[in-house]
Amino acid sequence: GIQVEQSPPDLILQEGANSTLRCNFSDSVNNLQWFHQNPWGQLINLFYIPSGTKQNGRLSATTVATERYSLLYISSSQTTDSGVYFCAVEQKSNYQLIWGAGTKLIIKP
Amino acid sequence: DADVTQTPRNRITKTGKRIMLECSQTKGHDRMYWYRQDPGLGLQLIYYSFDVKDINKGEISDGYSVSRQAQAKFSLSLESAIPNQTALYFCATSDSGLEADTQYFGPGTRLTVL
Repeated sequence: GIQVEQSPPDLILQEGANSTLRCNFSDSVNNLQWFHQNPWGQLINLFYIPSGTKQNGRLSATTVATERYSLLYISSSQTTDSGVYFCAVEQKSNYQLIWGAGTKLIIKP
Repeated sequence: DADVTQTPRNRITKTGKRIMLECSQTKGHDRMYWYRQDPGLGLQLIYYSFDVKDINKGEISDGYSVSRQAQAKFSLSLESAIPNQTALYFCATSDSGLEADTQYFGPGTRLTVL
C-alpha cells in the first residue's frame, strides 16, 4: 500500500517563529488532508488540499501532486499551535485515508 | 453542541469482555468511519460506511465489528476485548459533495483493556 512519511518527527520552537512541515507520499492519491491534534486529543481538519495552495490565517499548505509531497507552513507560531500535525492521503484503489505518523510541534512561550 | 459525539469517553475493561463504542452525528453526513490511534502513531482505519446499507472493512478490522443503525449512528464493537486493543478510538464523518472527503472527528474514546 501507499506510504506516507512526515518530517520532522519533532519540532520545538519559540513563540513567534515560523515552521515548515513536510509530507511525502509514495504513489498518486485522490486527495490529501492536514489535521491538527491538540494536546487533549481532539482532531481538527486544517486543509483539504489535493493540489495547489491554500491559506487560512497564519497557516498555509501547498501540495505538489506530481512530485508527491505537501508542505504545511505555520507563521508567527503561538503556544496554541502546539500538538501533533498529521497528513493523510486518500488511496486511489479503495478511497481509504492513510495517515502519516505525524510531526509533534511544541511552541515555547 | 458537538457535531460528532462519542460515548463513552473513557472505558476500562477486562480481557474477554464485550465492549460497544457509540458514535452519533448531527452533521447530516452520509459517510462514517471508525479509527484507532496507538501512542505516537497516526490513525488506522477499522471500518467505514458510505450509507446505512454499506459497510466496509478497513486496514485493521480483525477483532472488531460495526453496526450502522441509522444515518446518524455508527457503533463499533469488540466482541472479546484483548489488551492490544488498548488505544484511542475515533469516529469521523464526511459528506458526499464538494470536498466530500474532508473528515470531521469526534472527541475520541480512550479504551483500556486489562
